[in-house]
Amino acid sequence: DIQMTQSPSSLSASVGDRVTITCQASQDISNYLNWYQQKPGKAPKLLIYDASNLETGVPSRFSGSGSGTDFTFTISSLQPEDIATYYCQQYDNLLRPTFGGGTKVEIK
Amino acid sequence: QVQLVQSGAEVKKPGASVKVSCKASGYTFTSYDINWVRQATGQGLEWMGWMNPNSGNTGYAQKFQGRVTMTRNTSISTAYMELSSLRSEDTAVYYCARDLGGMTSWGQGTLVTVSS
Repeated sequence: DIQMTQSPSSLSASVGDRVTITCQASQDISNYLNWYQQKPGKAPKLLIYDASNLETGVPSRFSGSGSGTDFTFTISSLQPEDIATYYCQQYDNLLRPTFGGGTKVEIK
Repeated sequence: QVQLVQSGAEVKKPGASVKVSCKASGYTFTSYDINWVRQATGQGLEWMGWMNPNSGNTGYAQKFQGRVTMTRNTSISTAYMELSSLRSEDTAVYYCARDLGGMTSWGQGTLVTVSS
């Protein structure tokens, strides 16, 4: 199975800061990469699909980039409501998706 | 709107089985695949497998092969995930999620606790 290495595992930033999370695949996955947000006690929510496409209704401060093995997720200006854990997920093998380990984002 | 509503929390003894349901509404149930994903307390997301509600075809993560069964009842737009030979490490929240690729809609989760 394709392994997804996400970093950092946690971060603390101030409101208004730019936040960046990276995800590295163990092999080339083209752009078959999604990003999810999970708030405590809630189900995950799809934010970005196909590496860089914003899901409908998701604020434009969220963005994604990358292809191949290296991907980046960015919050351009961190807001208090963005406190959550973020996960990347590959689906290069559509029938064998795997998730990264998650990044917990906190407010400093 | 698309909704996936899961069955309630379960407490099971080691060695038992659990069957979690996921009732779909707001869309044509047979048109979208269903995934099952679990999350142990304080841990990350773990994909368990998928099912095509139209054909009944399934695919399971190797880790769960032989212990998990995914089925559906199209007449009531409901998907099921049954996990057998439960052990303490199976204590987790179990989610159903629609779509292969990007999982666009999720159930609210079902807590399964395995304890003697």
